[in-house]
Amino acid sequence: AQSVTQLDSQVPVFEEAPVELRCNYSSSVSVYLFWYVQYPNQGLQLLLKYLSGSTLVESINGFEAEFNKSQTSFHLRKPSVHISDTAEYFCAVRVSGGYNKLIFGAGTRLAVHP
Amino acid sequence: EAGVAQSPRYKIIEKRQSVAFWCNPISGHATLYWYQQILGQGPKLLIQFQNNGVVDDSQLPKDRFSAERLKGVDSTLKIQPAKLEDSAVYLCASSFTSGVDYNEQFFGPGTRLTVL
Repeated sequence: AQSVTQLDSQVPVFEEAPVELRCNYSSSVSVYLFWYVQYPNQGLQLLLKYLSGSTLVESINGFEAEFNKSQTSFHLRKPSVHISDTAEYFCAVRVSGGYNKLIFGAGTRLAVHP
Repeated sequence: EAGVAQSPRYKIIEKRQSVAFWCNPISGHATLYWYQQILGQGPKLLIQFQNNGVVDDSQLPKDRFSAERLKGVDSTLKIQPAKLEDSAVYLCASSFTSGVDYNEQFFGPGTRLTVL
């Protein structure tokens, strides 16, 4: 069975500092990987995804994630965070084939301080 | 483009009462999902519809939860009777069934249920 582990439940960071949110998954088959962001009182929004091809994927607001098959990881990074990046971030995995079922991690709360 | 609509946004009930949530997906999305998000946890899929058929309900507590999507568009999730542990945010999502955008699920704002 697939599972997702987000190693940090909370990550406090100062504005303009770099940040890394860690995500590891377990699966014996090919997977697709996603990061979703949830702002307060809102639904989840897709931040970026890895389906195939280049292992480094980027979002439009400066986040990037790298798929590492040997370490079964998909860590999310940003070189310089803003106050507006404060949110809950969820890593998710989908097994290739099947019915597009997502398995989510428990989430990491990113708190950016001035 | 209108997003996924859900109502109500908040609901407070007492245990053993019943409750229903409504979801209207994005126009053209044949696949609809209901997730349960308990505080401090990630969303967990309860049920997935493709058009008006169920393709996955393996984690739906069928003794108390039910869901329908009669005309293949909007959907209703019901809990009867509710238990304290059902307190959670219930998220509805939708997606295309095929094509390049198949993998992206679009989420509604959720319904926060509190069972007292």
